[in-house]
Amino acid sequence: GAVVSQHPSWVICKSGTSVKIECRSLDFQATTMFWYRQFPKQSLMLMATSNEGSKATYEQGVEKDKFLINHASLTLSTLTVTSAHPEDSSFYICSARTPGQATEQYFGPGTRLTVT
Amino acid sequence: QQQVKQSPQSLIVQKGGISIINCAYENTAFDYFPWYQQFPGKGPALLIAIRPDVSEKKEGRFTISFNKSAKQFSLHIMDSQPGDSATYFCAALGAGNNRKLIWGLGTSLAVNP
Repeated sequence: GAVVSQHPSWVICKSGTSVKIECRSLDFQATTMFWYRQFPKQSLMLMATSNEGSKATYEQGVEKDKFLINHASLTLSTLTVTSAHPEDSSFYICSARTPGQATEQYFGPGTRLTVT
Repeated sequence: QQQVKQSPQSLIVQKGGISIINCAYENTAFDYFPWYQQFPGKGPALLIAIRPDVSEKKEGRFTISFNKSAKQFSLHIMDSQPGDSATYFCAALGAGNNRKLIWGLGTSLAVNP
């Protein structure tokens, strides 16, 4: 149980274009989802927290107009990287927390984004 | 300011040996301390976790030792295997809205056959 999927697993896009990454909780309802980015050999950096039906809360330094997060249902959250630049190339990981579960997060397999 | 400090940055252990990774935290409001294992190109996976009212938790070859007064906790991997070669992250769960995980910087473990 508690499986989180991400799609796509990897994506290459050209500079200036937008790309959408989906995060789905497959066998549970996720009231809260988290989006992280990770650079090679570094730790996870929280970008934003999204709660179903409300606006995402972004971490300091994360451009909310560039990284659009939508948590439209209890099983789906999306991250859209708008006007992508090469420096946005990174590994993006989502996680989800079940209702009433205040501790454990279940992580997706990650999405490798390369901007050329 | 790193709220969760993890050491060592990298670790090489012989097969069958004990791998030990240490973490220290500052915020006494943290109340849940998980360890995650991450393989290259994959998302992190929960390995084992502990709450501060427990001094030790063991699951198979993995043990967390927790010292509340010292604000330190450690992961011990007994009988380390080449398949344990991965990056390990400690984390601490903060209080307040949304309960964010605060991450250590990670330890790259290599277990030699």
